[in-house]
Amino acid sequence: DTGVSQDPRHKITKRGQNVTFRCDPISEHNRLYWYRQTLGQGPEFLTYFQNEAQLEKSRLLSDRFSAERPKGSFSTLEIQRTEQGDSAMYLCASSSPSRNPNNEKLFFGSGTQLSVL
Amino acid sequence: EDQVTQSPEALRLQEGESSSLNCSYTVSGLRGLFWYRQDPGKGPEFLFTLYSAGEEKEKERLKATLTKKESFLHITAPKPEDSATYLCAVLTNNYGQNFVFGPGTRLSVLP
Repeated sequence: DTGVSQDPRHKITKRGQNVTFRCDPISEHNRLYWYRQTLGQGPEFLTYFQNEAQLEKSRLLSDRFSAERPKGSFSTLEIQRTEQGDSAMYLCASSSPSRNPNNEKLFFGSGTQLSVL
Repeated sequence: EDQVTQSPEALRLQEGESSSLNCSYTVSGLRGLFWYRQDPGKGPEFLFTLYSAGEEKEKERLKATLTKKESFLHITAPKPEDSATYLCAVLTNNYGQNFVFGPGTRLSVLP
């Protein structure tokens, strides 16, 4: 179990540029989540995949954000035309289903810290 | 709208000084309440899941309890290595598999 890995760990970009982050979940986990976290706040839900299907997306998520999970393995999160307000830690988490759908333990990666200048 | 609040925002304890952190929630149809620990520069790490009022879970110096409106994380005789941000999250009927997190409590345990 190598855990959830995210790449890059840090990204500095200029306003208006596009950025893409990658998440590799724990291999046997079929559920994958993206969260965003700003300083002093808890993680905020962005989107959720079960296998390759994107099942849920935050209503607050701008259409500049898009996520994919081809073949139900790794996932990418792309932000187009970045804005200064996009600066945050982007966290990926994965989990495996259990018989009880409420019994879901999320395993988080260490995140990608995005700074938009 | 489901809401999760945590108090205090920050807490400083001396080593060995027991205390409790609070997580209050206003949700429709609680399916589960979760506690996570987050160290600086890292993602949250799972601690406990609670499902129904009256339930308790323990792990080393930590004990989590749940009522119909709030959860407590009790820390007994804390050590400096317990210093971290403690987050609670809820899973509800309103948001599918969307875990709603509180803002966290930053705990510092001084030697």
